[in-house]
Amino acid sequence: SAVISQKPSRDICQRGTSLTIQCQVDSQVTMMFWYRQQPGQSLTLIATANQGSEATYESGFVIDKFPISRPNLTFSTLTVSNMSPEDSSIYLCSVEEVPDAEAFFGQGTRLTVV
Amino acid sequence: AQTVTQSQPEMSVQEAETVTLSCTYDTSENNYYLFWYKQPPSRQMILVIRQEAYKQQNATENRFSVNFQKAAKSFSLKISDSQLGDTAMYFCALTQGGKLIFGQGTELSVKP
Repeated sequence: SAVISQKPSRDICQRGTSLTIQCQVDSQVTMMFWYRQQPGQSLTLIATANQGSEATYESGFVIDKFPISRPNLTFSTLTVSNMSPEDSSIYLCSVEEVPDAEAFFGQGTRLTVV
Repeated sequence: AQTVTQSQPEMSVQEAETVTLSCTYDTSENNYYLFWYKQPPSRQMILVIRQEAYKQQNATENRFSVNFQKAAKSFSLKISDSQLGDTAMYFCALTQGGKLIFGQGTELSVKP
């Protein structure tokens, strides 16, 4: 099973600034996913990060606000740009070694914007 | 559009008893996968059980089993002999093409 290291585990940021979240996997995976979990809510997919191509964003999420990098098959970053208090959430990265099989998750980044 | 609905925001059960969490979903696809994930206070998402839609047999993992009713688009989770460590948020999820669609979650409390 894939082991995912996500950094930072938590942060408190000033509004208007940006935060980059890192996701490192211990094996090569084709697809990586970024989810947002707002307080008391379920997980919502932000985008799918594919190595060698631009990320695919879900409805309601745009690249200018959530730029994603995927430089290789084991690493991805998600940036939350120009933050506002509404961006306070848990952000999680996820991978699937085999499509539609078990998804493995990082431990999440708890972001608070003040 | 694919949707997943969990109609029980909170549930509680006495230790050692059995509890069933409900989930319904909607998809136009014939091939898909269903999951139950557990999220304890640590935030770590943990797979509880997985069901392939093409399999009629209900999945079972130790104390956890599902009742998969494909025609009714229902996918409930039964936890037997509940333990204090089962206290967590439980999410039902549907996947196709790798993307997970989650239900709203059910917060389960196991009481001693």
